[in-house]
Amino acid sequence: AQSVTQLDSQVPVFEEAPVELRCNYSSSVSVYLFWYVQYPNQGLQLLLKYLSGSTLVESINGFEAEFNKSQTSFHLRKPSVHISDTAEYFCAVSTGTYKYIFGTGTRLKVLA
Amino acid sequence: DAGVTQSPTHLIKTRGQHVTLRCSPISGHKSVSWYQQVLGQGPQFIFQYYEKEERGRGNFPDRFSARQFPNYSSELNVNALLLGDSALYLCASSPGAGVAYEQYFGPGTRLTVT
Repeated sequence: AQSVTQLDSQVPVFEEAPVELRCNYSSSVSVYLFWYVQYPNQGLQLLLKYLSGSTLVESINGFEAEFNKSQTSFHLRKPSVHISDTAEYFCAVSTGTYKYIFGTGTRLKVLA
Repeated sequence: DAGVTQSPTHLIKTRGQHVTLRCSPISGHKSVSWYQQVLGQGPQFIFQYYEKEERGRGNFPDRFSARQFPNYSSELNVNALLLGDSALYLCASSPGAGVAYEQYFGPGTRLTVT
């Protein structure tokens, strides 16, 4: 069975500072990995995904994540955060079937 | 284009009652998935429907059921409500089934069971 662990429930960071949100997964088969963002009172939005190919994937708003198979990780990074990045971030894994397994989420709080 | 819409936005029910939640996918999307998000947790997969057939089911009791209509909209039904069913119920639509297709989430229905 697959599982996803997001160790940090909350991450406070000052504006323009770098941030890393950690995600580790467990699976006995090949997986596909995703990061979703949820703003207050809204549904989830796909931020980026790794399906195959380059292990470094990027989003249009400056986030990036690197798939590390040996460490079973898919950490999300941004070199300089903005107030508008304040949201909850969810890591998810799928084996390619219908089912997505989500982590418990990391609440990113960007401070002025 | 309209995104995924869900109704109602909020709902309060009493233990033992039945509830029906509705979802309208993005036009052209044939797959709908349902998730339960308990406060402080990540979404948990309940069902996926594709072309009006159930493609998958998560670890939820038989009190939970769903269906997809010819216009690809979907209903989630929960019978004999328990306090633990209180959660945000999310619907997601995609053009097809499988991870190659991005899921688009609706804003959710907040269910409170008293």
